[in-house]
Amino acid sequence: AQSVTQLDSQVPVFEEAPVELRCNYSSSVSVYLFWYVQYPNQGLQLLLKYLSGSTLVKGINGFEAEFNKSQTSFHLRKPSVHISDTAEYFCAVSEPAYFGNEKLTFGTGTRLTIIP
Amino acid sequence: GAGVSQSPSNKVTEKGKDVELRCDPISGHTALYWYRQSLGQGLEFLIYFQGNSAPDKSGLPSDRFSAERTGGSVSTLTIQRTQQEDSAVYLCASSPRETQYFGPGTRLLVL
Repeated sequence: AQSVTQLDSQVPVFEEAPVELRCNYSSSVSVYLFWYVQYPNQGLQLLLKYLSGSTLVKGINGFEAEFNKSQTSFHLRKPSVHISDTAEYFCAVSEPAYFGNEKLTFGTGTRLTIIP
Repeated sequence: GAGVSQSPSNKVTEKGKDVELRCDPISGHTALYWYRQSLGQGLEFLIYFQGNSAPDKSGLPSDRFSAERTGGSVSTLTIQRTQQEDSAVYLCASSPRETQYFGPGTRLLVL
């Protein structure tokens, strides 16, 4: 069974400062990894994903993440945050299944608050 | 193009009533998922559809929950005899493969 741990439930950051949101996962097989963002009263928007290949992946809004297999981590980073980045961020994992159930297992989320 | 749409956006119902939640996936996406987001349980998988194959219902919390997908497209999640613990946001996602794209959700409140 898979699991995802997001150790930080809340992260306050000053505007224009860098941020890292941590994500660790456990799985006995190969995985796909995702970061989604949720703005208040909205659904989940895909930020970025790792499926295979380069371990450094870039996403929308200037975010990037690095897949580290040995540390089973997929931390999300942004070099300079903006007020508009205030939201809840979810890390998720799935197991590849060719046209099978690739259900997502989510972490508990990290609330990112940008301080002006 | 058009994303995943869900209706209604909000639903308030009385305990014991049945509710139906609708999901319109992105055209051409063969896979469709339902998830529930609640304060106590976080985001949890409910059910998975792939084309016209039998669904994977392993995440449904009780037999009061059921879902169908007609013509490999639109899906309806039905909750019978609603309970207060069913109050949550129900999210639908569709996928061509690998990556899931979510709708805005239906916020259900059971009084």
